[in-house]
Amino acid sequence: RKEVEQDPGPFNVPEGATVAFNCTYSNSASQSFFWYRQDCRKEPKLLMSVYSSGNEDGRFTAQLNRASQYISLLIRDSKLSDSATYLCVVATMKTSYDKVIFGPGTSLSVIP
Amino acid sequence: DAGVIQSPRHEVTEMGQEVTLRCKPISGHNSLFWYRQTMMRGLELLIYFNNNVPIDDSGMPEDRFSAKMPNASFSTLKIQPSEPRDSAVYFCASRPGTVTGELFFGEGSRLTVL
Repeated sequence: RKEVEQDPGPFNVPEGATVAFNCTYSNSASQSFFWYRQDCRKEPKLLMSVYSSGNEDGRFTAQLNRASQYISLLIRDSKLSDSATYLCVVATMKTSYDKVIFGPGTSLSVIP
Repeated sequence: DAGVIQSPRHEVTEMGQEVTLRCKPISGHNSLFWYRQTMMRGLELLIYFNNNVPIDDSGMPEDRFSAKMPNASFSTLKIQPSEPRDSAVYFCASRPGTVTGELFFGEGSRLTVL
């Protein structure tokens, strides 16, 4: 089983739609969670961290369920500019450092 | 402020040749990561340096790959000899601290091995 797994894409949604991405991780000791965004042929960039209580940043809401080892990202009122690949990222502490693992990503296309 | 700087941006080489990829992390960042991205395997962590010391190199594919960080402002990833299956985008990323926090990526080096 891969350490971080994500919904297979691509997701094709109309402008204004709400879309949700899911991510599961295998190591119950994982401690930090993030969503990154990667535009075509560009580098990944941090979208938002994921906190235990859930957190929101504008149209984006992230949730964490430690018991189920599950992370989600909800995008409301999708814009054309949201088209990108969304990467779930999990960091697991080792003895004195953390190992940062990226999921395979979910591709989103927002259609006019 | 300058971000993470990688060079070359693109490299095309022939099988068997040596390839050296370079990275300059953001000044003051203590952690440096090398990742490789392909369509089939996604982003794979190759090696992680902290304060110039390799902390985790478990992702380095085989002896053909080596990485160094001689000082806080420079790192190299070397492939010798290169093979077609090494074709990928290689990203370098840096982070201010040792644990957790945002990774800042360079624009990547796109390697094609013929």
